[in-house]
Amino acid sequence: AQSVTQPDIHITVSEGASLELRCNYSYGATPYLFWYVQSPGQGLQLLLKYFSGDTLVQGIKGFEAEFKRSQSSFNLRKPSVHWSDAAEYFCALNNAGNMLTFGGGTRLMVKP
Amino acid sequence: EAGVAQSPRYKIIEKRQSVAFWCNPISGHATLYWYQQILGQGPKLLIQFQNNGVVDDSQLPKDRFSAERLKGVDSTLKIQPAKLEDSAVYLCASSLFQNTEAFFGQGTRLTVV
Repeated sequence: AQSVTQPDIHITVSEGASLELRCNYSYGATPYLFWYVQSPGQGLQLLLKYFSGDTLVQGIKGFEAEFKRSQSSFNLRKPSVHWSDAAEYFCALNNAGNMLTFGGGTRLMVKP
Repeated sequence: EAGVAQSPRYKIIEKRQSVAFWCNPISGHATLYWYQQILGQGPKLLIQFQNNGVVDDSQLPKDRFSAERLKGVDSTLKIQPAKLEDSAVYLCASSLFQNTEAFFGQGTRLTVV
């Protein structure tokens, strides 16, 4: 069975500071991995995706993520956080044909 | 390109009543998903369609929930009868194929009182 774990439920960073959100997955083969962001009252917006190839992927809004097979991780990073980045972030896994499984989410708060 | 459309945006019902949600996916998208998102949790897949066939409904409480996707386009999700624990946001998503990125609608917030 596949699963996604986001160890940090809440993270608070200061505006302008760097950010890293953790995501660990469990799956027997190379998965398709995604990061989504959800603002209050909104649906989920895709930030970036990893299917194959270069393990460092760039997304929208200045986000990037790195796939590390040896660590079963797909952490999301941003070098300088803006107040508008405050939201909930979800990591998700697709096992190449079936279920898109989400982690529990990390709520990001940004201090001025 | 129009996004995934869902209606209604909000719904309040009493327990034991029935409710239905509607979803119109992005044109041409073969795969359609319904997710339940309880406050403070990640989305949980209820059912996945490929065209008008069901791919996965293992987490759908079939004694009270039903879903259909007639003609492989629009979909409806129904709850009958509703329970208090069904209070959640119901998200519809679609993707071009099963293993491509999913695009989400804004969701329907259901409150059961």
